[in-house]
Amino acid sequence: DGGITQSPKYLFRKEGQNVTLSCEQNLNHDAMYWYRQDPGQGLRLIYYSQIVNDFQKGDIAEGYSVSREKKESFPLTVTSAQKNPTAFYLCASSIGRGGFSQKRYQPQHFGDGTRLSIL
Amino acid sequence: GQNIDQPTEMTATEGAIVQINCTYQTSGFNGLFWYQQHAGEAPTFLSYNVLDGLEEKGRFSSFLSRSKGYSYLLLKELQMKDSASYLCAVRETTGNQFYFGTGTSLTVIP
Repeated sequence: DGGITQSPKYLFRKEGQNVTLSCEQNLNHDAMYWYRQDPGQGLRLIYYSQIVNDFQKGDIAEGYSVSREKKESFPLTVTSAQKNPTAFYLCASSIGRGGFSQKRYQPQHFGDGTRLSIL
Repeated sequence: GQNIDQPTEMTATEGAIVQINCTYQTSGFNGLFWYQQHAGEAPTFLSYNVLDGLEEKGRFSSFLSRSKGYSYLLLKELQMKDSASYLCAVRETTGNQFYFGTGTSLTVIP
């Protein structure tokens, strides 16, 4: 079955360390997204990518970096510059801009999330 | 940017009907989505509206008025398992971004 896989499910970061969260999809989606969710809060956009080798900053990109070398993969690195990284991180994908002309729903599909904590 | 507002919390009784409202302001609207999220889990897609009117899907219905920047999610015959957070999200035209509200935490009581 097609879907989005995030790993690991739980991750611990030491002070001064960079950590990378994995996100892989086999839905053949062009667009991929990273969100951060804090307790009792909605989803805030970190980075998104509409196509391979291109990505844009979202609302809270500081302290994070991404790459999009393959259509299927969109890893997120939480750098040491991110001083408050403890959160639930969600990766999502959707069809690209080209889908706007199609009259069908186009929701985002989400992975199961990675919970990042500080050691 | 976008401005999406939802009530923070709601409580309803098992078997009853509840309506969760969402208002939005957007520069380029291309659809409104409702998601359900149980604690510690990923959001799951519930419904989608791009044209004005009501979309019905079993116990769940969603309504949209584009001129008013308003949507609601209607849950009928509430069950205990419907206790969850309900997220309203707007898709904008130019950047293919999805903007989420903070979510409405629904508690269903016996």
